[in-house]
Amino acid sequence: SQQGEEDPQALSIQEGENATMNCSYKTSINNLQWYRQNSGRGLVHLILIRSNEREKHSGRLRVTLDTSKKSSSLLITASRAADTASYFCARFENNLFFGTGTRLTVIP
Amino acid sequence: EPEVTQTPSHQVTQMGQEVILRCVPISNHLYFYWYRQILGQKVEFLVSFYNNEISEKSEIFDDQFSVERPDGSNFTLKIRSTKLEDSAMYFCASSDRVDKNIQYFGAGTRLSVL
Repeated sequence: SQQGEEDPQALSIQEGENATMNCSYKTSINNLQWYRQNSGRGLVHLILIRSNEREKHSGRLRVTLDTSKKSSSLLITASRAADTASYFCARFENNLFFGTGTRLTVIP
Repeated sequence: EPEVTQTPSHQVTQMGQEVILRCVPISNHLYFYWYRQILGQKVEFLVSFYNNEISEKSEIFDDQFSVERPDGSNFTLKIRSTKLEDSAMYFCASSDRVDKNIQYFGAGTRLSVL
């Protein structure tokens, strides 16, 4: 499959804790993106990391990319209840090829 | 903030019927996409559209599917004869010329085929 696989499939943490989600992919990439999906809603773009970048930050989000291991991770620091959602990595090759997603629950 | 809008939010249809799902992409965007997500599964690419023609389509996008941009604002997905397995969330997305990498998604249409 060209698409990514995330782990864990589900993650439950207390508000204020950090959440780490991982993504692996099988083919080479130009960039890898992370999207968020609230229950029953569309996908919202969070962050894009290019193949020549190793780390990128955006607010409370930190994304790393290891092209030798074909893996990426998304770290959400100081989580809030509003961060509860599903998070997907997506490889871009003219179109987006999404992973299986991690369902994050942040308990207030 | 500009957004992609999709209508209806929920469509119920009988097997074998035709459905048209509608999308209004962000106004200055040039690239348009449809994706679908079967309940509990991955978001899957269906088709991309640029310059009034299909750029790329997946193997899911068979002869039962078609897309159209009938005017300057709408982008539609038609399923000619729906099957039970077409039940899914259908997402429209668009991107602009400056950064094709980032796609903006609508809230989706839930299609239920009975």
